[in-house]
Amino acid sequence: EVQLVESGGGLVQPGGSLRLSCAASGIAFSNYAMHWVRQAPGEGLEFVSAITGNGGSTFYADSVKGRFTISRDNSKNTLYLQMGSLRVEDTAVYYCARGGTSISSYLPTWGQGTVVTVSS
Amino acid sequence: EIVLTQSPATLSLSPGERATLSCRASQSVGTYLAWYQQKPGQAPRLLIYDASSRATGIPARFSGSGSGTDFTLTISSLEPEDFAVYYCQQRSNWPPGYTFGQGTKLEIK
Repeated sequence: EVQLVESGGGLVQPGGSLRLSCAASGIAFSNYAMHWVRQAPGEGLEFVSAITGNGGSTFYADSVKGRFTISRDNSKNTLYLQMGSLRVEDTAVYYCARGGTSISSYLPTWGQGTVVTVSS
Repeated sequence: EIVLTQSPATLSLSPGERATLSCRASQSVGTYLAWYQQKPGQAPRLLIYDASSRATGIPARFSGSGSGTDFTLTISSLEPEDFAVYYCQQRSNWPPGYTFGQGTKLEIK
């Protein structure tokens, strides 16, 4: 069974940093692009960032470019999102999701999400 | 950026009825469109991809249609577990990335 488990969320002050992790099991992790998608309270879904299977290419939404960094460790089957210069508007549930073998893909598998709250 | 507009925002129906949800794109996305279902406190679940293909394990009462800029998700006969929020997603222009519609809430009448 494919499973994605996020961790690392929490309460952080504006301007602070946080690192999210997503541990994958039940899949050939390095074969797949991985994505971060967020959902602000009561709002819809928003693409945040994505990374190819080998980690060679990364993509970011304009809203987080220059502040967030996506990475992966295929030896540990783990995806990361380093979040810096956090803003109140970054408050959301952050989901990791498995894409396809190409970076431009649908998202058939999602984690349960981790909550990030940016507040003073 | 391609904008997806879903309608209606809220749809009130009874179990057993037919549901028709719409997603309109600001420019053509071909058939690179998916539908997701999200229940409260849960992650989204992929229902339909490439406009009309059902994802693994999705019941046959869910169907998708459309191409270009106009797409429809149809649930032929609503079950109690189908009441949720539905999002469309396009992956036509990459980069910069995909976009989601704002969602349609399907509620029990």
